[in-house]
Amino acid sequence: DIQMTQSPSSLSASVGDRVTITCRASQSISSYLNWYQQKPGKAPKVLIYAASSLQSGVPSRISGSGSGTDFTLTISSLQPEDFATYYCQQSYSTPHTFGQGTKLEIK
Amino acid sequence: QVQLVQSGAEVKKPGASVKVSCKASGYTFTRYFMHWVRQAPGQGLEWMGIINPSGGSTTYAQKLQGRVTMTRDTSTNTVYMELSSLRSEDTAVYYCARDVRITVADSYYYYMDVWGKGTTVTVSS
Repeated sequence: DIQMTQSPSSLSASVGDRVTITCRASQSISSYLNWYQQKPGKAPKVLIYAASSLQSGVPSRISGSGSGTDFTLTISSLQPEDFATYYCQQSYSTPHTFGQGTKLEIK
Repeated sequence: QVQLVQSGAEVKKPGASVKVSCKASGYTFTRYFMHWVRQAPGQGLEWMGIINPSGGSTTYAQKLQGRVTMTRDTSTNTVYMELSSLRSEDTAVYYCARDVRITVADSYYYYMDVWGKGTTVTVSS
């Protein structure tokens, strides 16, 4: 199975900050990497697919990059609604494993 | 609009089985695979498996092989996830999520675009 490792596990930031979350795969997954946002008590919501493609309706302050084994999710200017937990997920091969999550909290 | 409506919360005893349903609407049911993902309390997301509603073929996480069965009913546009021999570690919220396949630069990519609200399964004696 492909292991997905996110860092950091948690992050404190302020509104307006630029934040970056990283995700590393245990083997090359090309660009088969998706990012999801989850708020407490809610189902996850896709933000980015194919490593860097923005899902329709997702604000442009959110972006993704990377290929192979190393990926990043960047939020250019944090808004109050961005405080949530973020997960990366590989869709290169089954099982479609998730990272352990990064909890983004208000400083 | 595309919707996935899941069945209600369940409380089961260890050793029992649970069957969770996910009814799809707003799109052609047989054109999109369906994933099941679970989340234990305070924990991350765990991929359980995927079903092709067209032919019924499935792929399961090895960890759950032998205990999980995913099926579908094309007459009601519903997929089911049954988990047997329940143990306390199976206490979780179970989600169904539609798999969408999209072309980017001549390659197919896959992600989960629509999710159900989740079904809480509690395993307790």
